[in-house]
Amino acid sequence: DTGVSQDPRHKITKRGQNVTFRCDPISEHNRLYWYRQTLGQGPEFLTYFQNEAQLEKSRLLSDRFSAERPKGSFSTLEIQRTEQGDSAMYLCASSLVQGENTEAFFGQGTRLTVV
Amino acid sequence: AQTVTQSQPEMSVQEAETVTLSCTYDTSENNYYLFWYKQPPSRQMILVIRQEAYKQQNATENRFSVNFQKAAKSFSLKISDSQLGDTAMYFCAFMKHGPRNRDDKIIFGKGTRLHILP
Repeated sequence: DTGVSQDPRHKITKRGQNVTFRCDPISEHNRLYWYRQTLGQGPEFLTYFQNEAQLEKSRLLSDRFSAERPKGSFSTLEIQRTEQGDSAMYLCASSLVQGENTEAFFGQGTRLTVV
Repeated sequence: AQTVTQSQPEMSVQEAETVTLSCTYDTSENNYYLFWYKQPPSRQMILVIRQEAYKQQNATENRFSVNFQKAAKSFSLKISDSQLGDTAMYFCAFMKHGPRNRDDKIIFGKGTRLHILP
């Protein structure tokens, strides 16, 4: 296992189009996080999963955003009707929670540009 | 709600010098973790060091050490003998602690951009 994998690495889309990103966590990890990072800023929490259950969604996550983790393994983040303000790096991270949470490992991110 | 504040947007130091990055946080929790993450240019975020709030001893990892002041809610990172490869964004982060804690997302500060100069 080579770590957290995100696909695609880069995505350019026209305003109004829908996009979907995929995250494959480290195989035994049961916790999966999505963050958004704009240039020069810290990651902002979007949502996270424990296995297939979505535990929390940030208020940043408008109704145009949806995330799933149907089998408790990989996760997808979909943005509908993209806007220029959605341009950012979308980061995925995973960790193993067994009694307590451990270190979160991050993927390389998907950079979204909305034109 | 928890918040993390990094008051130094950018810092520069000469190679081999020691540098300290500041971080303060606000929480009403008693059990939590604090982290420093490093994000090199165009590369993924990696964990530098981690501190459990119940531990009084400051964490160290080779050239990296922290000064954890729980009462002051301060968590600074010291990098000794800085190297060119330390050039990166550094993020301070907070996470509540507890088994099956449903509110243990990681909260990040805005980051400090650190330049190590040759």
